[in-house]
Amino acid sequence: EAQVTQNPRYLITVTGKKLTVTCSQNMNHEYMSWYRQDPGLGLRQIYYSMNVEVTDKGDVPEGYKVSRKEKRNFPLILESPSPNQTSLYFCASSGQGNEQFFGPGTRLTVL
Amino acid sequence: GESVGLHLPTLSVQEGDNSIINCAYSNSASDYFIWYKQESGKGPQFIIDIRSNMDKRQGQRVTVLLNKTVKHLSLQIAATQPGDSAVYFCASNTGGFKTIFGAGTRLFVKA
Repeated sequence: EAQVTQNPRYLITVTGKKLTVTCSQNMNHEYMSWYRQDPGLGLRQIYYSMNVEVTDKGDVPEGYKVSRKEKRNFPLILESPSPNQTSLYFCASSGQGNEQFFGPGTRLTVL
Repeated sequence: GESVGLHLPTLSVQEGDNSIINCAYSNSASDYFIWYKQESGKGPQFIIDIRSNMDKRQGQRVTVLLNKTVKHLSLQIAATQPGDSAVYFCASNTGGFKTIFGAGTRLFVKA
């Protein structure tokens, strides 16, 4: 089944404790992206990647890092999480057609 | 900065009626527009898209209209059903990779 998977689905952590949210897609898509979703703000793009080893900042990259060492994986790294990074995070991928396929989301709470 | 916005945060329609959800964008260089549907607890799901060289595109029970003159697009859902209840997002792409989402319109379908 073609899909985008994220792990973990739910995470509660404390300020300053480094964490990684994994994202994997099995559709051989070149393009992958991370978004955060907050009430009343829609989805805001954090980082995107056009292909392996090629990444760029979206609208809200501060406090986040990404890497794209393999085509299928695009992990999101929070080196020192803060409470304002409490949010619902989505990973997405797309091929040539620009239509994005989204993962199920990761709900992160930073205390 | 660049923005995509929806005119109404909520819309309530009677089952069987047609629904129209509106969206405005600010960047005249945007060349690709997408509508997504997000059901509770899930990631956004692609509904229909349109490129800037088109004015109208139809899918199954859905139509997207694009007016580049006033930078406005709309999603029309024919014969709205209870299963259409969700949050609908418009999004725009410029150059293929950076995606801007609107804040979303929650559609309620009354039986």
